[in-house]
Amino acid sequence: EAGVTQFPSHSVIEKGQTVTLRCDPISGHDNLYWYRRVMGKEIKFLLHFVKESKQDESGMPNNRFLAERTGGTYSTLKVQPAELEDSGVYFCASSPIGLGGQREQFFGPGTRLTVL
Amino acid sequence: AQKVTQAQTEISVVEKEDVTLDCVYETRDTTYYLFWYKQPPSGELVFLIRRNSFDEQNEISGRYSWNFQKSTSSFNFTITASQVVDSAVYFCALSEARSGGGADGLTFGKGTHLIIQP
Repeated sequence: EAGVTQFPSHSVIEKGQTVTLRCDPISGHDNLYWYRRVMGKEIKFLLHFVKESKQDESGMPNNRFLAERTGGTYSTLKVQPAELEDSGVYFCASSPIGLGGQREQFFGPGTRLTVL
Repeated sequence: AQKVTQAQTEISVVEKEDVTLDCVYETRDTTYYLFWYKQPPSGELVFLIRRNSFDEQNEISGRYSWNFQKSTSSFNFTITASQVVDSAVYFCALSEARSGGGADGLTFGKGTHLIIQP
């Protein structure tokens, strides 16, 4: 079974440009999460989808960030316009919905974003 | 608000030594979940263990063991007879239970960089 995949693995853009990150969760996983790790800081939760609906977007830093999950499958995270402080590693994770409360989340390899 | 503290930024030991990674958490919920993840040099986060707040039984998996103590809000991770392949950054994480049994985002500690020297 394929794991969580993310594209691209690396992205280098200039301040003011737009970047779109993509995440493909494990097939059948209704929960999809985005996280970010800024250099030297902890991994921070950004938002959570259940299927195509945003369950919790309390971690989104500002309105320059837009996440979508069309059809409840893959998700995109767009940053427009990018700022220097947006640099970091963006992780996507997925988990199934089921009995037993919070299930473990399976993480993708991350996208390293560098804003110059 | 929930918080996870991993006070050890970096630990370096010689191969075959035992090592314990500390994790202290804060939450106001009575139902919550604790996790450990491993991040090897390749960068991906690898799930190691999940523990819910009602299960204080310690767990052993090969050379790995976890000690969950609600009285001290700690969920420590011990590697016995460490190996070079154990070198990685280890993250402790917490999530609070959502009503209806749903899932929640994780709150991570800053991670502990474990270096196992040959």
